[in-house]
Amino acid sequence: GENVEQHPSTLSVQEGDSAVIKCTYSDSASNYFPWYKQELGKRPQLIIDIRSNVGEKKDQRIAVTLNKTAKHFSLHITETQPEDSAVYFCAATPNTGGFKTIFGAGTRLFVKA
Amino acid sequence: SQTIHQWPATLVQPVGSPLSLECTVEGTSNPNLYWYRQAAGRGLQLLFYSVGIGQISSEVPQNLSASRPQDRQFILSSKKLLLSDSGFYLCAWSVQRDGVYGYTFGSGTRLTVV
Repeated sequence: GENVEQHPSTLSVQEGDSAVIKCTYSDSASNYFPWYKQELGKRPQLIIDIRSNVGEKKDQRIAVTLNKTAKHFSLHITETQPEDSAVYFCAATPNTGGFKTIFGAGTRLFVKA
Repeated sequence: SQTIHQWPATLVQPVGSPLSLECTVEGTSNPNLYWYRQAAGRGLQLLFYSVGIGQISSEVPQNLSASRPQDRQFILSSKKLLLSDSGFYLCAWSVQRDGVYGYTFGSGTRLTVV
């Protein structure tokens, strides 16, 4: 079946450093790639997304890049802060329906002050 | 505005007892609705999804069931809970907007089966 692989599963960085989380998807029909942040005990919340017709998108300290040919997309967080500590999920959704969305397994990010 | 309500927030139930979790959506019509389960420190496991009233698809065989009695209401049930049913249950909805399906999650229910 379709799959989204996410790496690393755990990431620890020093405050102020950058963090990069990478995902690979298998469904060629995927056209929408959201990223969710889940703080401890809370719901996942959308932080940034990118569509298949765009290669890069940036929102302040967060950016996402997409390589459709390689079926890779990545989340980049610059100047990390302790409040960035959370679990991050990538996802890939095809244009055939939201119920086909596949989530990555998640990356637990620790930002050390 | 579009909102999603999920309750209860926390639940402690004995093994063998029934379960009913409810989710309602406001501000949208005919959404796709989902139930996910998240074990401690783990990823999102899709349990059920629904594309319309009375239409339920199950992703994982288990002792849980789902129902959609109204367009914006989604219910997760069990007749007899198992210890392995413990986890964080998330309801979510999605609608197509500008050609893509975005997800919004409810606040979740933390279920502990004792």
